[in-house]
Amino acid sequence: QVQLVQSGAEVKKPGSSVKVSCKASGGTFSSYTISWVRQAPGQGLEWMGRIIPILGIANYAQKFQGRVTITADKSTSTAYMELSSLRSEDTAVYYCARGTDGYLGYWGQGTLVTVSS
Amino acid sequence: EIVMTQSPATLSVSPGERATLSCRASQSVSSNLAWYQQKPGQAPRLLIYGASTRATGIPARFSGSGSGTEFTLTISSLQSEDFAVYYCQQYNNWPETFGQGTKLEIK
Repeated sequence: QVQLVQSGAEVKKPGSSVKVSCKASGGTFSSYTISWVRQAPGQGLEWMGRIIPILGIANYAQKFQGRVTITADKSTSTAYMELSSLRSEDTAVYYCARGTDGYLGYWGQGTLVTVSS
Repeated sequence: EIVMTQSPATLSVSPGERATLSCRASQSVSSNLAWYQQKPGQAPRLLIYGASTRATGIPARFSGSGSGTEFTLTISSLQSEDFAVYYCQQYNNWPETFGQGTKLEIK
């Protein structure tokens, strides 16, 4: 069955960058989109951006433009989300999710990123 | 971007009763609306897409309705495992946006 397995928790200093991975198995990686959604502690879901692996094209929410980069490696069925210039407000659980026509049918387990000095 | 507004923020319902959750879009999203369930410490789970189509493995007690700007998620007879937070998401326009969530709690 489809599984998305994300990299482990990270603790980062303000101003640094973090790169989270999302490895997919079961199903054809390139045939779907991979979206990244984050959730700050006690808050709701926030869509950050997505990539179409077969095209290598990524789109980003305006809020994150210039700070986020989403990439995909078709050879390893792995997507990556890199967020730079981290600040305390970026402390959150980051999820990857596989998209079909826009809705998100499969989710990774989440990666907690803590930004603290 | 399209703003999704869910109501109520918290809904208290007894097991076995019906729960009705609402989601409103700031402009039409056609039927491009999904519902997700999230339990503490877990990733969201897709319940409904296309406003009314249940995802694979989702029990029939979950149903979705609506189109345009007004949507409803109904859980016909609440089970203990249904108490969670529910989010709607529109995917008609980029960027895709989520509602702020409705917490369904035991009365």
